[in-house]
Amino acid sequence: KAGVTQTPRYLIKTRGQQVTLSCSPISGHRSVSWYQQTPGQGLQFLFEYFSETQRNKGNFPGRFSGRQFSNSRSEMNVSTLELGDSALYLCASSLDIWGEQYFGPGTRLTVT
Amino acid sequence: AQSVTQPDIHITVSEGASLELRCNYSYGATPYLFWYVQSPGQGLQLLLKYFSGDTLVQGIKGFEAEFKRSQSSFNLRKPSVHWSDAAEYFCAVGAGTSYGKLTFGQGTILTVHP
Repeated sequence: KAGVTQTPRYLIKTRGQQVTLSCSPISGHRSVSWYQQTPGQGLQFLFEYFSETQRNKGNFPGRFSGRQFSNSRSEMNVSTLELGDSALYLCASSLDIWGEQYFGPGTRLTVT
Repeated sequence: AQSVTQPDIHITVSEGASLELRCNYSYGATPYLFWYVQSPGQGLQLLLKYFSGDTLVQGIKGFEAEFKRSQSSFNLRKPSVHWSDAAEYFCAVGAGTSYGKLTFGQGTILTVHP
């Protein structure tokens, strides 16, 4: 069974631009969560989606948004990028909200 | 709000030696606790989890962890470390409404000397 897929794997953007990251969960998984990983702040929770509904949201500004589609694939969007948004963005999927999470390899975003 | 503390930023052990990584949590209700491992350039891999029941849980790759409610701890152990165990280890606690919102510790980097 294929694992969690995240695209693109690497991304370089300029301050002020916006970016969309994609996550394809393991087949049959309906829950997707997003995390931001930086050297300074560590791993921080961004969003959790289940059946196209956002169940939880982390303490991030409104520039960070996400959604989940009917096939459970998820996207997150960051508008008006700042240098501090440079990070590894990790997506995790699980069967349901009580399932163990399987993480993807992440998207490395660099903002210049 | 829940929080997780991993007191050791970096630990170095010799191959074949035993290992214990410390994790302390703060959470008002029954915690759901996890240990993950991350190799360079990789995502996170679940080593083991504690939901309820037996306080000593076994995981993959020979790891185990013990939940101690009185000490608010969930320390990870391995009796004999292999060079391939070198990685960063994260302890995490799940919120009561789902396991999809995890709060992670800052991580412990493990270096293994031959």
